[in-house]
Amino acid sequence: GAVVSQHPSRVICKSGTSVKIECRSLDFQATTMFWYRQFPKQSLMLMATSNEGSKATYEQGVEKDKFLINHASLTLSTLTVTSAHPEDSSFYICSATTGAYQPQHFGDGTRLSIL
Amino acid sequence: AQSVAQPEDQVNVAEGNPLTVKCTYSVSGNPYLFWYVQYPNRGLQFLLKYITGDNLVKGSYGFEAEFNKSQTSFHLKKPSALVSDSALYFCAVRDVSSNTGKLIFGQGTTLQVKP
Repeated sequence: GAVVSQHPSRVICKSGTSVKIECRSLDFQATTMFWYRQFPKQSLMLMATSNEGSKATYEQGVEKDKFLINHASLTLSTLTVTSAHPEDSSFYICSATTGAYQPQHFGDGTRLSIL
Repeated sequence: AQSVAQPEDQVNVAEGNPLTVKCTYSVSGNPYLFWYVQYPNRGLQFLLKYITGDNLVKGSYGFEAEFNKSQTSFHLKKPSALVSDSALYFCAVRDVSSNTGKLIFGQGTTLQVKP
């Protein structure tokens, strides 16, 4: 149980392209979803917290117009990297939880490479 | 300020030997602690959590962790390491200032189990 599907697993695209990443909780309804960015051999950096039907809460220093988050349902959140540039290349991971005191369950991540 | 520290960047053990991955935390009030494991190019997998109760918590894949309030530690242990345990391990504590279950992660410890 507690499976989170993240798609696509890898994206390679040209600078200036917008890229959408989907995060789905397959067998549970997630009250909250989180979006992280991870640099090589480093810990996870929280980008934003997303609740169904409301605006995402972004961490300090994360551009909300750059990283658009939509949480359309209790099982789906999307992250759109708008007008991506090489510095946006990274490993993006989503997670979902059923409650504030429950574990977060993670997707398998999306490797984004901007040429 | 809340924080999680994993003092070792890497831990090396021989297969069959016991392993310990260290974690210390700093948080006001009662801590909610988690351990996750990450394999290359994958998301994080939940191993175990401590909310309350017994100080020794048993989790997935034979792992356990010992909560020590006086030492503010939550070390991950396994009696007999497997080569397949080689991965990146993260300790995390729930951010008490958040009502969404936001986590604060340690910097990660790479576990290398040699045959």
